[in-house]
Amino acid sequence: GENVEQHPSTLSVQEGDSAVIKCTYSDSASNYFPWYKQELGKGPQLIIDIRSNVGEKKDQRIAVTLNKTAKHFSLHITETQPEDSAVYFCAASASAGGTSYGKLTFGQGTILTVHP
Amino acid sequence: DGGITQSPKYLFRKEGQNVTLSCEQNLNHDAMYWYRQDPGQGLRLIYYSQIVNDFQKGDIAEGYSVSREKKESFPLTVTSAQKNPTAFYLCASSMIAGPYEQYFGPGTRLTVT
Repeated sequence: GENVEQHPSTLSVQEGDSAVIKCTYSDSASNYFPWYKQELGKGPQLIIDIRSNVGEKKDQRIAVTLNKTAKHFSLHITETQPEDSAVYFCAASASAGGTSYGKLTFGQGTILTVHP
Repeated sequence: DGGITQSPKYLFRKEGQNVTLSCEQNLNHDAMYWYRQDPGQGLRLIYYSQIVNDFQKGDIAEGYSVSREKKESFPLTVTSAQKNPTAFYLCASSMIAGPYEQYFGPGTRLTVT
């Protein structure tokens, strides 16, 4: 089955700096890669995702890059703010035949702390 | 106001008791999922369901059971056979065809003593 490794496990930055979180996956059939943000005591919130036919996707201060050859994808947050502090999870999924069902396999999470 | 609701937010049980966690969605999603989250770990899939009256085991199904009698509802029962039931339980839903995006509920924190 799919295995997703996420690094680093903790990341501390100063406000205004950039933050990068990296994930690798094992199943070459994976074709959907979402990123979730989870605040303390809450459910994860989808913040950005990328599909395998795209190499990079941006949404304001957040960007995700995908390298299918190397089987890794990364989350980039620019101009970090204290409210970006949270746990971030990557995930990978492969469609199952014609149903397009995707079982998500999650990384272990990165605790991001942005210091004012 | 569309979304996924889980109740209760906190649940306390004695060891040896079964307990059922509620999950309801009004997003008209076909697929629903249950995940378990332990401190410092990612989310692990317990069970998932693509259509009513059908569900499949995930990676850690032992000690859990589910039902899917209605499209909107996917309750999870934590049985006394689950050796380490204390955890944060998250329910999610998604459409089947097209996007894979899974949307999560607020979670239920279960403590068994």
